[in-house]
Amino acid sequence: GAVVSQHPSWVICKSGTSVKIECRSLDFQATTMFWYRQFPKQSLMLMATSNEGSKATYEQGVEKDKFLINHASLTLSTLTVTSAHPEDSSFYICSARDVGADTGELFFGEGSRLTVL
Amino acid sequence: GQNIDQPTEMTATEGAIVQINCTYQTSGFNGLFWYQQHAGEAPTFLSYNVLDGLEEKGRFSSFLSRSKGYSYLLLKELQMKDSASYLCACMDSNYQLIWGAGTKLIIKP
Repeated sequence: GAVVSQHPSWVICKSGTSVKIECRSLDFQATTMFWYRQFPKQSLMLMATSNEGSKATYEQGVEKDKFLINHASLTLSTLTVTSAHPEDSSFYICSARDVGADTGELFFGEGSRLTVL
Repeated sequence: GQNIDQPTEMTATEGAIVQINCTYQTSGFNGLFWYQQHAGEAPTFLSYNVLDGLEEKGRFSSFLSRSKGYSYLLLKELQMKDSASYLCACMDSNYQLIWGAGTKLIIKP
C-alpha cells in the first residue's frame, strides 16, 4: 500500500525553540495532507488541513502563527512548531489521502513525538 | 452538529469474539473507516464501508447501516496483539474525516 513517511520520529527541544516536522508521501501524490495532535490516552485531534500550493486550513482553537504549515509540493508537507513550550509536548501525526486509490484511504505517517523541556 | 460515538473501553478474552459499535451523525456521508492504533504508534487502516452490509477481511469484519447511522467492527479469534485502540471515523460531505474518541480494547488471557 501507499506509504507516508514522517520525520523526525522523536525530538526533544528546549522551550522557546522551533521544531520542524516533515511528512512525505513516498509513492503517491497528495494534494491534501492532514496534521493531527494526540495527547496521551486521547484520540486524534485534527489541527489543520494542508493544501498543496495554498494556505492551510486550521481547526478552531489552533494557532496558525504557532503551528506553521507549508505544503510546497505534492509529496511534502511540513509542520513547524514555533517557540515551543512544554504544553506543546505531544504526538504529532500526519496523514495523506491517496486519491488514486479506490477507497480514498488515509495513510498515516509514523508520528513524531515532541518533548519540550 | 457532527458526532461520532463509540465505547471508551472494552475487555475481551483471548480466542473470543468482540464487537465494537460506532454511531454517527455527520453532514453528509462519504464512508466510514475503522483504524487500529497501538499505544505510541500511528493508526493503521482496517476497513472502509460506504455501502450497507458486511465487509469481511480475515479475522476482522466491518458492518454499516447508513439508515441507522451505525457501524460495528467485529474481531474474531482474538489475539493478545489485538489489544489496541480502535478508531471509528466518518467522511462527511466535504470529504473531511470526523473521528470518534476511540475504543480501547483490552484482551485478557
